[in-house]
Parts: sequence; C-alpha cells; structure tokens
Amino acid sequence: EDKVVQSPLSLVVHEGDTVTLNCSYEVTNFRSLLWYKQEKKAPTFLFMLTSSGIEKKSGRLSSILDKKELSSILNITATQTGDSAIYLCAVLNSGGSNYKLTFGKGTLLTVNP
Amino acid sequence: DAGVTQSPTHLIKTRGQHVTLRCSPISGHKSVSWYQQVLGQGPQFIFQYYEKEERGRGNFPDRFSARQFPNYSSELNVNALLLGDSALYLCASSLAPGAQYGYTFGSGTRLTVV
Repeated sequence: EDKVVQSPLSLVVHEGDTVTLNCSYEVTNFRSLLWYKQEKKAPTFLFMLTSSGIEKKSGRLSSILDKKELSSILNITATQTGDSAIYLCAVLNSGGSNYKLTFGKGTLLTVNP
Repeated sequence: DAGVTQSPTHLIKTRGQHVTLRCSPISGHKSVSWYQQVLGQGPQFIFQYYEKEERGRGNFPDRFSARQFPNYSSELNVNALLLGDSALYLCASSLAPGAQYGYTFGSGTRLTVV
C-alpha cells in the first residue's frame, strides 16, 4: 500500500524562526513529490519535485527531494504569522496510464508573533 | 480567470440519504480528480476522470460513484450516507493526468452527515 509520512505533525514557532518539515514515502511507480499549503480549504500548490538533489526555491520557502532516501524536506526561513497553515506532502504515482496523489497527514505549523 | 469551482460549499444530510457534489475545472483542463479529507487527515484519493473516462479509483466502497460530462465538469455521488462520510470533499483539475501538468484544487464541499 502506498504510504506518505510527514513529521512533525504539529509545530509551534515564533516569528523569525526557521522551520524544516519532513516527508518520507513508500510508493510504487513514483512520478513526483508535491508540497501544498492548506489554510482554510483549498490546498495551494507550492512545489513539485521530480529530480533528486535539485533545490527549488520560492522566496523564503525551499524544498529538495532525495530519491535515494525516499524523502523530501520543506524549509521556511524567517517565518511570519501568515505562514501558519497545514503543509501537505503528496506523492504522484502511476499504474499504467492512471495517476493518483497520495497525501501525508500534514504538518500543522503555528507561527506566533 | 475562474479557478476550480465546487458546489455547494456546505451541505448537511441525514444518514441513508444520497448526495451529489459538483466540480467545474479550470477552462481547458480535461482531467478532474476527487479527494476526501476527514478532519485531521490528509486528502484521500477517490476517483480520477480524463476525457470523460474513469482513469483511477481509490479504496472507497461502491456507494461512491462519479462521472465527467462533455464540458469536463464532474459530479461525485454518494449513496446511503454514513456518519463516517462527513468530510471535506476536494476536486482537483489538471490539463491531463501526469506529473508535468500540476493539480489545482477547489475550495471543497464540506459535507456533514447527521
């Protein structure tokens, strides 16, 4: 059975701190790993990682994939209260021409002023 | 530029009833996927449709069914509702199945079964 595990499940930090969120996976026919931010309802896309060792950056957020260790990390530097959200890791895998996203439970990040 | 739209936003149903949820993908997107997100959990895959054909099905009972229309909008139907069906139902749209196209989520339908 395909599995995605995120850690920690929750995290409370102060504004300005740096956080690292972890994601590990066990899936068949891996295609890519995606990170989403979920504040109220709709998960919003952050990154898609396909190749190992190549860091993707967007402002204060960055992410990297390690296909040997079957894992990824999401870093957020200089956190702000607006970063408070659930961060979801998902793995896209395929079976023939069918694709599906398998999600982890998410990490609830709370950034206090 | 309209994103993924889902209706209704909230719904309350009684056990045993039937429900239909609707999703309109981003214009030009031909693939729609449905996910169920129970409180405190990540979304769980239910169905994927592409070009009006079912392309994948998750581990859900036959009470769950879906279809995609010629305009690429989609419906998710759930029969004989159980309390455990209470969840946020998310629709994701993409140009086609596959990693390179990305998946955009709608704001979801919050279903409460009482």
